[in-house]
Order: sequence, then C-alpha cells, then structure tokens
Amino acid sequence: DQQVKQNSPSLSVQEGRISILNCDYTNSMFDYFLWYKKYPAEGPTFLISISSIKDKNEDGRFTVFLNKSAKHLSLHIVPSQPGDSAVYFCAASGRTGGFKTIFGAGTRLFVKA
Amino acid sequence: KAGVTQTPRYLIKTRGQQVTLSCSPISGHRSVSWYQQTPGQGLQFLFEYFSETQRNKGNFPGRFSGRQFSNSRSEMNVSTLELGDSALYLCASSAGPGGEKLFFGSGTQLSVL
Repeated sequence: DQQVKQNSPSLSVQEGRISILNCDYTNSMFDYFLWYKKYPAEGPTFLISISSIKDKNEDGRFTVFLNKSAKHLSLHIVPSQPGDSAVYFCAASGRTGGFKTIFGAGTRLFVKA
Repeated sequence: KAGVTQTPRYLIKTRGQQVTLSCSPISGHRSVSWYQQTPGQGLQFLFEYFSETQRNKGNFPGRFSGRQFSNSRSEMNVSTLELGDSALYLCASSAGPGGEKLFFGSGTQLSVL
C-alpha cells in the first residue's frame, strides 16, 4: 500500500531554471509533510517541511506547496543549481499513524550546467 | 553535536546467516527509526522505537527485529538472511516523540550472497 507516491523517477532541468518535484498521498490523516535530499553514499538530509494547516512554506530557493483537497504537494527549486542534483524524497507523518514517517520512492533530479 | 552513527558501514553475508546492525542516535534524541532502501522502492519503514518501546512496525516478516537500549542506542537484527534482504539499511533519530524531522545516519550497506 503506497501511501506516498512520487510518480516521476527522474527529472532533468537546466541550470537557472525552476525544478518542480511532485508528490501525492492517499492517507488524509497525514498532518506533516517533509522533503529530504539524498546524495550517493550518504543518508537523506532534511530540506523543508510543511504542516497541514499551511499551504505554502518557503526557505531560500526552496518552496513547498500543499494542496490538501487534492492530497498533493510539490517542491519548487528556483533557481536550480548543479549542486541540487540528488534524489529527493517526499515524506509524510501523522499523529494518528503513530508518528511513523512514510516515504515516497524518490525522484532523481539532474541539473545540467 | 555528533550525528547519527551506524555500524558497520558495509557488510557481506551469505544466505541463512543472521546479522545485527547498530545505530547510535544524536545525543538527547529518544526516537529511533529504521528504514530499508532498495532501488526503485524508496525508503521502506521497518520499525520505530521510543524510550525502549517499539511503537510502530512496518510490513516486514518476523525475521526483522530490533530493540532500543536505555541510552537510546538501537540494534536491528535480521535472521535467516535471504538474497532479497540486500539493501541499504538506514537509521534515523528525532528529538521528539515522533512524526518530526528525522536525522539519518549514512546507513549500512548489506549484501547477501
């Protein structure tokens, strides 16, 4: 049962342009959403999060948008830089789920110089 | 502050053997979660411990078990290894009771021959 879905395995973007990574979830009890970034041979690192009471959260070049009615969130990176090339995981958690965090399959982002 | 430490970094075992992986969380963190990462599957939730109690368990067979000690350090054990158990096993800790930002270790790469 894939509760968090990232349907695009990879995305290629030109340096300086916008990268948009998408994520869908099925469990309406999720109330906290996070994005993590992972480089090879390293563990994932936290990037940005959003609570279900908000619809947007911004941190520098990174913005996460949440559409609760569509059960969809997206991560925007503007402008994209070659160092942003990594695998991005969407994750969701909820108090009623017993605090476990569920991850999507990840999207590999390639930013071309 | 030291990060999450996982040992060993790499492990090679043969089918039928058992293995124990270790995780030391960030000092002060009481919640430890374990994930299995395989290509294309993202991070699959194994289990989560808080104050020595397993609060959540993923959909893995009983061959996968874990425990947490009073100092919050955690171990994960896999018995009767199968070829399909080859994966990167990631440990993550969080400061609060769960559902919050996770801090990951670099993982243990397990290869089952």
